[in-house]
Amino acid sequence: EDQVTQSPEALRLQEGESSSLNCSYTVSGLRGLFWYRQDPGKGPEFLFTLYSAGEEKEKERLKATLTKKESFLHITAPKPEDSATYLCAVQASNSNSGYALNFGKGTSLLVTP
Amino acid sequence: DTEVTQTPKHLVMGMTNKKSLKCEQHMGHRAMYWYKQKAKKPPELMFVYSYEKLSINESVPSRFSPECPNSSLLNLHLHALQPEDSALYLCASSQGADTTTGQPQHFGDGTRLSIL
Repeated sequence: EDQVTQSPEALRLQEGESSSLNCSYTVSGLRGLFWYRQDPGKGPEFLFTLYSAGEEKEKERLKATLTKKESFLHITAPKPEDSATYLCAVQASNSNSGYALNFGKGTSLLVTP
Repeated sequence: DTEVTQTPKHLVMGMTNKKSLKCEQHMGHRAMYWYKQKAKKPPELMFVYSYEKLSINESVPSRFSPECPNSSLLNLHLHALQPEDSALYLCASSQGADTTTGQPQHFGDGTRLSIL
């Protein structure tokens, strides 16, 4: 059965204190791994797609990496506006629900000034 | 600003009411989705439409009835809902499902539904 596990559940950082969020996954055939940011009362905002081990994507202070078993979302010198819940999702190539995103439970990030 | 628009933003209804949620996208996407999200939980897939045809129904109760009038619009008709159906209902779209690589889904900001 496909599984997506995110850690930690919650993370509190000082402004400028870099850290990483983890997404471990078990899937029979990865079609894609996706990172989203969700602010309270809003829908998930798409950040990155990763398709194969070794791939990296960057956007401002965020960098996503992928191995065969996990993905990391690195946050460099975070600012308070980076506070949000970060969701990881995988799409499996052999799923009956081929389009479905299997989400992790998310990491709630709080960045304090 | 999100490119997937959902209306209304908030909805309060009684258990005997009938209402509809609406979703619109103009990105030319051919797959559209309904998700349900409870507080502090990830989104759960309800329905998938591919090329305006229902392709996936994740064992959703019949009091939820989806409709896809055209490639840009998606509705969710609600009838005789229960208090446990109170949640954030999210619509999403993606380029299409018949691709070998996964396509990201783009979400609207949802409709916050409260059942009295």
